Amino acid sequence: GENVEQHPSTLSVQEGDSAVIKCTYSDSASNYFPWYKQELGKRPQLIIDIRSNVGEKKDQRIAVTLNKTAKHFSLHITETQPEDSAVYFCAAPPYGQNFVFGPGTRLSVLP
Amino acid sequence: DGGITQSPKYLFRKEGQNVTLSCEQNLNHDAMYWYRQDPGQGLRLIYYSQIVNDFQKGDIAEGYSVSREKKESFPLTVTSAQKNPTAFYLCASMGQFNQPQHFGDGTRLSIL
Repeated sequence: GENVEQHPSTLSVQEGDSAVIKCTYSDSASNYFPWYKQELGKRPQLIIDIRSNVGEKKDQRIAVTLNKTAKHFSLHITETQPEDSAVYFCAAPPYGQNFVFGPGTRLSVLP
Repeated sequence: DGGITQSPKYLFRKEGQNVTLSCEQNLNHDAMYWYRQDPGQGLRLIYYSQIVNDFQKGDIAEGYSVSREKKESFPLTVTSAQKNPTAFYLCASMGQFNQPQHFGDGTRLSIL
């Protein structure tokens, strides 16, 4: 089955710096790649997603890049703010199969 | 998401008791999911249903049961067989494959 890993597991950055979280997956049939943000005690919320026919997608301070050959995709957050502090999860479900979420990355943005 | 309602927000279970967590969605989604999240951990799939009157076990189904009698509703029962039920339970729904899953606000279950 699909195996999804995330690196790093924790990340601390200074406010205003950039943060990058990498997600690797095992199933080459995966073609949808979402990123979720979960604040403490709250539900995961989709922040950006990308499909396999696109290499990069950007939404204001957030971007996702995809390398299908290497089977990894990355979340990029620029100009980080304290409200970006949260746990971030990726998933890489092959079409027709359930989501398998990565273990999460805890991002702390230090003032 | 406003389209998925979970209740109650907090629930306490006594020894030997079954409890039921409610999940209702008005997004007209076919697929619904239950996840368990332990403190500081990721999301583990308990049960899922891709159509009314059909559901499948996920990775950690033991001690849980579900039903899917209506498209909008996917209740989860935590039975007395689940010896360590303390966790945050999240319900999700999805309209089509290659689309995002949308989550409810969760139910936090604790043992009395």
